[in-house]
Amino acid sequence: EAGVVQSPRYKIIEKKQPVAFWCNPISGHNTLYWYLQNLGQGPELLIRYENEEAVDDSQLPKDRFSAERLKGVDSTLKIQPAELGDSAVYLCASSAGSSYNEQFFGPGTRLTVL
Amino acid sequence: AQSVAQPEDQVNVAEGNPLTVKCTYSVSGNPYLFWYVQYPNRGLQFLLKYITGDNLVKGSYGFEAEFNKSQTSFHLKKPSALVSDSALYFCAVRPQEGSSNTGKLIFGQGTTLQVKP
Repeated sequence: EAGVVQSPRYKIIEKKQPVAFWCNPISGHNTLYWYLQNLGQGPELLIRYENEEAVDDSQLPKDRFSAERLKGVDSTLKIQPAELGDSAVYLCASSAGSSYNEQFFGPGTRLTVL
Repeated sequence: AQSVAQPEDQVNVAEGNPLTVKCTYSVSGNPYLFWYVQYPNRGLQFLLKYITGDNLVKGSYGFEAEFNKSQTSFHLKKPSALVSDSALYFCAVRPQEGSSNTGKLIFGQGTTLQVKP
């Protein structure tokens, strides 16, 4: 069974440029998460989807960040415009069913903003 | 505020010795507790979880963890460490159904485990 797929793995952009990250969750997983992981810290939730509905986006900086999961499968996270402080690893995870099921994480996208 | 604390940035053990990576939490209600491991340039991998029942849970690669409700702790343990266990370990808590954080994992800051030959 394929795991969570993310692309690109690495991205280097200049500040004020837009950037997008893509995630394909494990087949059949209805819940999808985007996390931000700064160096030396644990992941922090940005947004959680149940199917195509964003059920928790309270930590998403909506002035520059947006996300979508149009058909309830793949998801895209966008930053426009990027700032120096956005340099981090962006992790996607998915899980099936109820909240006691573990989340499966992708390898992440390492973003560097110059 | 709901939080998870991993008091040690790094734990050093010799191969073959037992290891413990500490985790304490502060959440409302009865939480679900998880341990994940992260190898360099890779995503987090699930090790084990506590939902209910026996306080000692067993997981992947010989790891186990003990839930202690009175001490609000969920320490990760392994009887005999391997060099290949060297990695970054994260404790995480998910407040139980009914709280405003349903579905959200709150992570600790991570503990680097270094196992020396």
